Amino acid sequence: EDQVTQSPEALRLQEGESSSLNCSYTVSGLRGLFWYRQDPGKGPEFLFTLYSAGEEKEKERLKATLTKKESFLHITAPKPEDSATYLCAGHSYGQNFVFGPGTRLSVLP
Amino acid sequence: DAGVIQSPRHEVTEMGQEVTLRCKPISGHDYLFWYRQTMMRGLELLIYFNNNVPIDDSGMPEDRFSAKMPNASFSTLKIQPSEPRDSAVYFCASSFGPESSYEQYFGPGTRLTVT
Repeated sequence: EDQVTQSPEALRLQEGESSSLNCSYTVSGLRGLFWYRQDPGKGPEFLFTLYSAGEEKEKERLKATLTKKESFLHITAPKPEDSATYLCAGHSYGQNFVFGPGTRLSVLP
Repeated sequence: DAGVIQSPRHEVTEMGQEVTLRCKPISGHDYLFWYRQTMMRGLELLIYFNNNVPIDDSGMPEDRFSAKMPNASFSTLKIQPSEPRDSAVYFCASSFGPESSYEQYFGPGTRLTVT
């Protein structure tokens, strides 16, 4: 069965303290691995899609990378406005979309 | 564009009652998704449509749930009869192009409480 796990469950950083979030997946025949950001009380907001191992994408202070078994979301010099829950999800051929439980990120000023 | 519109934003109902959630996708989008989010189970895809046709409903929990998309600008998710375990935030999302593009635009959600 397809499964997506994320770690850590929660992360507190000081402003400017870089770190990485992990997404591990067991998805047969991965079509795409994607990242969303969710603020409290709102719907998720799309960040990135990754299709193959070795692929990287960047957006402002965020960079997403993909290997054959996991994806990382690197946050460089985060700011308080980067505080949110980051969701990772996988989609395999012929299967449903599967979301991970998310990582709650808090960036303290 | 106003984005994905969902109504109502909050719904409180008693067990056994019928509940209908509504969604208006972004104009021009050809995919529409219904999700449910709870603390225990996270975000779960219930069903999605392409050009108003249901493509995958394997996430629909049971026969009490049904979804329709009568036209490109409107979809409903119905629960009949509702149960307390259906309490959750229900999101609608839409996108343009193949589902593998994954750039889905989510609505603000409907918070459903079944007492």
